[in-house]
Amino acid sequence: GENVEQHPSTLSVQEGDSAVIKCTYSDSASNYFPWYKQELGKRPQLIIDIRSNVGEKKDQRIAVTLNKTAKHFSLHITETQPEDSAVYFCAAKLLINNDMRFGAGTRLTVKP
Amino acid sequence: DAGVIQSPRHEVTEMGQEVTLRCKPISGHNSLFWYRQTMMRGLELLIYFNNNVPIDDSGMPEDRFSAKMPNASFSTLKIQPSEPRDSAVYFCASSYTGGGYTFGSGTRLTVV
Repeated sequence: GENVEQHPSTLSVQEGDSAVIKCTYSDSASNYFPWYKQELGKRPQLIIDIRSNVGEKKDQRIAVTLNKTAKHFSLHITETQPEDSAVYFCAAKLLINNDMRFGAGTRLTVKP
Repeated sequence: DAGVIQSPRHEVTEMGQEVTLRCKPISGHNSLFWYRQTMMRGLELLIYFNNNVPIDDSGMPEDRFSAKMPNASFSTLKIQPSEPRDSAVYFCASSYTGGGYTFGSGTRLTVV
């Protein structure tokens, strides 16, 4: 089955700096890679996703890149703000199969 | 759409008691997932259903845990008997084939 590894486990940045979180996956058949943000005491919420037919996707200050050959994908947050502080989870799955595996999460702290 | 609805939001019970967690998925979603989240283990997939049929229950910790989905709009996760190590936040999520997950607000279970 799919195995997703995520790094780093914690990340602290100064407000305005960029943050990068990286994930690797094991199943080369996986073709859907979402990212979830979980604020303290709340549910994980989808913030961006990418499918394997594209290499990069952007949505305002967040972007995700995918390297299918190396089987890794990354989340990039630019101009970080204190409200970006949360735990971020990456995940991977095969689109026709609903079994999705999550990374262990990255706790991002943005210092004002 | 009210999203994925879980109940109760909080549950405190004594060791040995039966606990039942409930979930109503988003209408039209054909898959439902139960996750457990703890600081130590992160997000663990316990079991998931496709079209009301259990597909993979390999994540269920032991026989004390059971899950049912009698129809497309309702699922339960039962723990009998409960133990202090079962204390966690339990999330239900639903999705349609080819889509991402939508999580419920979770049930915070405390077993004393």
